Amino acid sequence: DQQVKQNSPSLSVQEGRISILNCDYTNSMFDYFLWYKKYPAEGPTFLISISSIKDKNEDGRFTVFLNKSAKHLSLHIVPSQPGDSAVYFCAARQPQGAQKLVFGQGTRLTINP
Amino acid sequence: DVKVTQSSRYLVKRTGEKVFLECVQDMDHENMFWYRQDPGLGLRLIYFSYDVKMKEKGDIPEGYSVSREKKERFSLILESASTNQTSMYLCASSLYGSSGANVLTFGAGSRLTVL
Repeated sequence: DQQVKQNSPSLSVQEGRISILNCDYTNSMFDYFLWYKKYPAEGPTFLISISSIKDKNEDGRFTVFLNKSAKHLSLHIVPSQPGDSAVYFCAARQPQGAQKLVFGQGTRLTINP
Repeated sequence: DVKVTQSSRYLVKRTGEKVFLECVQDMDHENMFWYRQDPGLGLRLIYFSYDVKMKEKGDIPEGYSVSREKKERFSLILESASTNQTSMYLCASSLYGSSGANVLTFGAGSRLTVL
């Protein structure tokens, strides 16, 4: 039972354009949503998060949008840069106990010059 | 700079061997986690711990056990390695009871190949 889904395994975007990565979830009890970025042979690094009571959070070139009614969130990267090429994981936090994160399958983003 | 250190970056083991993956964090975090990453499946939680000597099963605990004797150290044990345990293993830690997003800090990963 995949509670967090990223349905696009890969995405290719031209440098300077907008990259949009999507994520869907099923559990309405999640209280935070996070995006992580992963380069090959490295651990994931935290990128941006959003509380379930918000609908938008922005940090520089990165903006996350949350649509609770649709149980959908998206990460926008504007403008896209070659260094943004990585695998992006969407994650959702369960509020109880150790507040563990449930991750999606990941989307490989490639920025073309 | 805060760190999660996984002692072995690459391991090659034979089927049936006992495997230890070690993880140490220097952030005084209460929570520690072991995930495995596989293509098309994302990160899946194996085990986690929210205190010394405490452990909880994650989503895929079969074939694994863990040990947390000290706050900073969380070990993953494969009692009898099998080929389907070939994977990238990621250790992470976080603060307990965070009022914010409770961000996980990950180690660099341990790539295990079981022959």
